[in-house]
Amino acid sequence: GAVVSQHPSRVICKSGTSVKIECRSLDFQATTMFWYRQFPKKSLMLMATSNEGSKATYEQGVEKDKFLINHASLTLSTLTVTSAHPEDSSFYICSATTGATNYGYTFGSGTRLTVV
Amino acid sequence: KQEVTQIPAALSVPEGENLVLNCSFTDSAIYNLQWFRQDPGKGLTSLLLIQSSQREQTSGRLNASLDKSSGRSTLYIAASQPGDSATYLCAVNFNKFYFGSGTKLNVKP
Repeated sequence: GAVVSQHPSRVICKSGTSVKIECRSLDFQATTMFWYRQFPKKSLMLMATSNEGSKATYEQGVEKDKFLINHASLTLSTLTVTSAHPEDSSFYICSATTGATNYGYTFGSGTRLTVV
Repeated sequence: KQEVTQIPAALSVPEGENLVLNCSFTDSAIYNLQWFRQDPGKGLTSLLLIQSSQREQTSGRLNASLDKSSGRSTLYIAASQPGDSATYLCAVNFNKFYFGSGTKLNVKP
């Protein structure tokens, strides 16, 4: 079945540094990838949608300069949290789809980011 | 804006009980709906995917139904086990997935 690999699973970084999270579709071509953020005891909030080869579309309220998304190939999307601050600490999850409307979404295992 | 609501927020049952988790959504123009399981600190595991043209899907002890016209889906878990304890999330595909807030299930031995 479809597999999405997300790395790293956990990362601790210092305030002011940048962190890159990778999302890879291992056995299918992901024309569209999504990035979600999950606050403690809350559901997943969609941050942005990325299509291969084009700029990401950000949801309202998400700072595009802080959360840089690149989808350079059909199997890889990256999320870079720039100049991270403690309030950016969260659980980030990516998902990928072929783009067909009848296709379910496959999710990565998530990245726990802690900014100290 | 599309909204997805799940009730109850939390549920604690003794082992062996059959139970129903509910999901409601505000717009019937959906592509499909997916139920997920999330264990603490972990990612999402897909349980069942129902296309908009389908009324239900079954996998083992799990059965999910979909009533698009009323904006509802239910996840039925038969003969619950302690290993079923997790948070169950409903996600509705309106060309993007929107998630409910989840139902935290605790199955007591």
